[in-house]
Order: sequence, then C-alpha cells, then structure tokens
Amino acid sequence: QVQLVESGGGLVKPGGSLRLSCAASGFTFIDYHMSWIRQAPGKGLEWVSSISNGGTLKNYADSMKGRFTISRDNAKNSLYLQMNSPRAEDTAVYYCAREVRPYYYSYTMDVWGHGTTVTVSS
Amino acid sequence: QSALTQPPSASGSPGQSVTISCTGTTSDVGGYNYVSWYQQHPGKAPKLMLYEVTKRPSGVPDRFSGSKSGNTASLTVSGLQAEDEADYYCSSYAGSNNLLFGGGTKLTVL
Repeated sequence: QVQLVESGGGLVKPGGSLRLSCAASGFTFIDYHMSWIRQAPGKGLEWVSSISNGGTLKNYADSMKGRFTISRDNAKNSLYLQMNSPRAEDTAVYYCAREVRPYYYSYTMDVWGHGTTVTVSS
Repeated sequence: QSALTQPPSASGSPGQSVTISCTGTTSDVGGYNYVSWYQQHPGKAPKLMLYEVTKRPSGVPDRFSGSKSGNTASLTVSGLQAEDEADYYCSSYAGSNNLLFGGGTKLTVL
C-alpha cells in the first residue's frame, strides 16, 4: 500500500545538525512532488519545504531558508531534510507528505507519514 | 506571512451540522482555489478531507463539504458523528510557492 515512513529524528543541540529521511513505497515516487510539514508540541501545522518530482525546484518557508535543505533520491524512493543550526523553536514532529496529483503542484498533501520527532535542546 | 485564522473550537451534537471557517487575505484564500482541509486525531498524522475548496478524496464521506466566499473558506460537517471529533486545519496556497496553514479548530461532538 501507499506508505511514507520517516526516520532520523531525535535530540539535537542548538547549532548542531540532523538529517531526516522519508522512505516511500507503494507508488511511483519520481512522479510526485513532496513536502515536509512540522507540528510543534501542542501547536498547529506549519509548512517547511517542498521539492519537485525531479528534485530541481525547491521551496522553503521563510524561517527555514538558509538553515534547512530538502533533497530527494528517486533511485532510492527517499526524501530528506537536512537541518543545520537548529533552534529550540524547531522542536516539532516532522511529517513528510505527498502531493495529491502527480507532476502537479496543488499544495495539497494526500499521503502523510507518521512523523518523526525532533527535539532541539542543550 | 501570518497563519490563516480559524476559530479555536467548534461543537455540535450527533446528527447536527457544524461549520468551521478559515479566513485569510486576497494573497492566499481569496486569491487561489487551492484551499484544503485536514482532520487530525490525537497522536495521528493529518488526513486530507477536502482539497481545491470542494473536492473530496476517495473514501471521505460526503458529509464533509467545502465552500469559499471572498477571503474565507468553510468546512461543513453534516450529520455529526462521534468519530468526527478531532482537530481540523485549513491550508491555502499563498503565492510564491508558499503554503499557509490555519491555527486549527478543535471539533467536539457533544
């Protein structure tokens, strides 16, 4: 079945680095744009970043620009988020998610992973 | 860009209808028909309920419907059921490849 499984979360010190991964299965990964969305404890959803199906177009929320890098390896059906210089306010559950239609940005995510928890603390 | 505005809570009795609003600006909700709604139960990942204002993904009951007027989108849940109790989030494309979410609405089935 269609599935996304995140990994790589954990405790990281402010100013450190962490790489999140998302393994996709059950669909043709290369056909779909992908995104990362996060949710701080007890808070709402916040879009982090998106990447086009081929990996060439990358977009970031303003607060993440210059610190986070999204990438994908279509040969491995995997999505990544490199988090550099994280701050306490980056503490959240990070979800990877798939666009609802192939090849098309409608800014709608129809398949979500279970999330991976990132805690930024010294 | 600020988050879209949703009421923090909404409630209704089983069988009743409830409407949740999502207010933005002409730069997001009012400017595009890329408004989506997500349902999230505690400890679970969000689930897509509506997209492009009115479209329902396969498997979502037709008790869930959406609309938009000006800068405000709405989600209506008809024939409330106990399992509808959850947090609901709206989202909208906000131009320049940005996506905004609302702050979320906790729906309580009385």
